[in-house]
Amino acid sequence: GENVEQHPSTLSVQEGDSAVIKCTYSDSASNYFPWYKQELGKGPQLIIDIRSNVGEKKDQRIAVTLNKTAKHFSLHITETQPEDSAVYFCAASMGQRTGRRALTFGSGTRLQVQP
Amino acid sequence: SAVISQKPSRDICQRGTSLTIQCQVDSQVTMMFWYRQQPGQSLTLIATANQGSEATYESGFVIDKFPISRPNLTFSTLTVSNMSPEDSSIYLCSAGDSSNQPQHFGDGTRLSIL
Repeated sequence: GENVEQHPSTLSVQEGDSAVIKCTYSDSASNYFPWYKQELGKGPQLIIDIRSNVGEKKDQRIAVTLNKTAKHFSLHITETQPEDSAVYFCAASMGQRTGRRALTFGSGTRLQVQP
Repeated sequence: SAVISQKPSRDICQRGTSLTIQCQVDSQVTMMFWYRQQPGQSLTLIATANQGSEATYESGFVIDKFPISRPNLTFSTLTVSNMSPEDSSIYLCSAGDSSNQPQHFGDGTRLSIL
């Protein structure tokens, strides 16, 4: 089955700096890669996603890049703010053609933005 | 995006009892899933809730322990049966319309077993 690895497990940055979180996946059939932010006591919230037919997607301070050949994708947060502090999860989905449509999650990255 | 509500938000239960968690979506969705998240850990898929048929369980999860219902396209339940302290966890429901469309999560049910 699919395996998603995520690094680093913890990341501390100064306010205003950039943060980068990286994930690799094992199955080349995966074609959808969302990123979730989870705050304490809340469920995961989708912040950005990318499909395998594009290499990069940006939404304000957040961007995701995908390298299908290397089977890795990354989350980039620029101009970090204290409210960006949370746990971030990457995930991968194989898509309908394989019948397994649920997400496989990475292990999570705890991001702390120091004011 | 779909809004997902889970009930209860938290509970403390006695060993050997069962608890049913409800998941309500504010619109019809194709897919609903149940995940478990142990404290400080990632999310692990328990099962896919299939409308009108038996749920599809992942390795390590069985129907007798985690029976699931999905009577329509907006509602599902997960029962945690014969609970033990090892079942203490957060149980999360998610929903989406296809495998490469966004899946959204409820805020989870925080379950503690004494």
